[in-house]
Amino acid sequence: SYVLTQPPSVSVAPGQTARITCGGNNIGSKSVHWYQQRPGQAPVLVICDDSDRPSGIPERFSGSNSGNTATLTISRVEAGDEADYYCQVWDSTGDHPWVFGGGTKLTVL
Amino acid sequence: EVQLVESGGGFVQPGGSLRLSCAASKFSFSNYEMNWVRQAPGKGLEWVSYIGGGGGAIFYADSVKGRFTISRDNAKNSLYLQMSSLRADDTAVYYCAGTYSAGFDYWGQGTLVTVSS
Repeated sequence: SYVLTQPPSVSVAPGQTARITCGGNNIGSKSVHWYQQRPGQAPVLVICDDSDRPSGIPERFSGSNSGNTATLTISRVEAGDEADYYCQVWDSTGDHPWVFGGGTKLTVL
Repeated sequence: EVQLVESGGGFVQPGGSLRLSCAASKFSFSNYEMNWVRQAPGKGLEWVSYIGGGGGAIFYADSVKGRFTISRDNAKNSLYLQMSSLRADDTAVYYCAGTYSAGFDYWGQGTLVTVSS
């Protein structure tokens, strides 16, 4: 089955830019979705289809996807952005269509 | 505002069964593909099962195949997960999540399932 690889943790100072990667074999050919999960809360979709922001998501959140790596970029990081972030793809090649990455803990220093 | 509300979680012994429900409101439920996703304590998200809007397409993760059954009742705006032969490693918060066009647009708040003797 398809595997998505994320770094376990990323740290960034307030006001700086955080980049969270999601690696997968030829992931650039798939649509990647990103979720934010704050402690004790349900996940929230922050980026869909590689780079689209759902309604209500700040413009500080952006995404890109090419080759074997997709990236979630959070500009001008705020304390409230501290959360776990998960990438996700639909893998049409197998019997397990939805795949999540292992998650990345974003720490705001 | 769209709402998904899970229920049916609780404490069950290994080998037991449990049925989770997810009640949807304020959106066109039948137009949404629905999923169950779980999260073991301190762990990441794990997709569990998918069902198409009409109920025709169904998929399961290998970890639950043959033990869990997903279903939906569009007339009642409800999604279900029948879980049997439960094991300790099924202990998790179970979320229902809906897809309209891309990604999981809506999530419930989750219901905790604890499998222990």
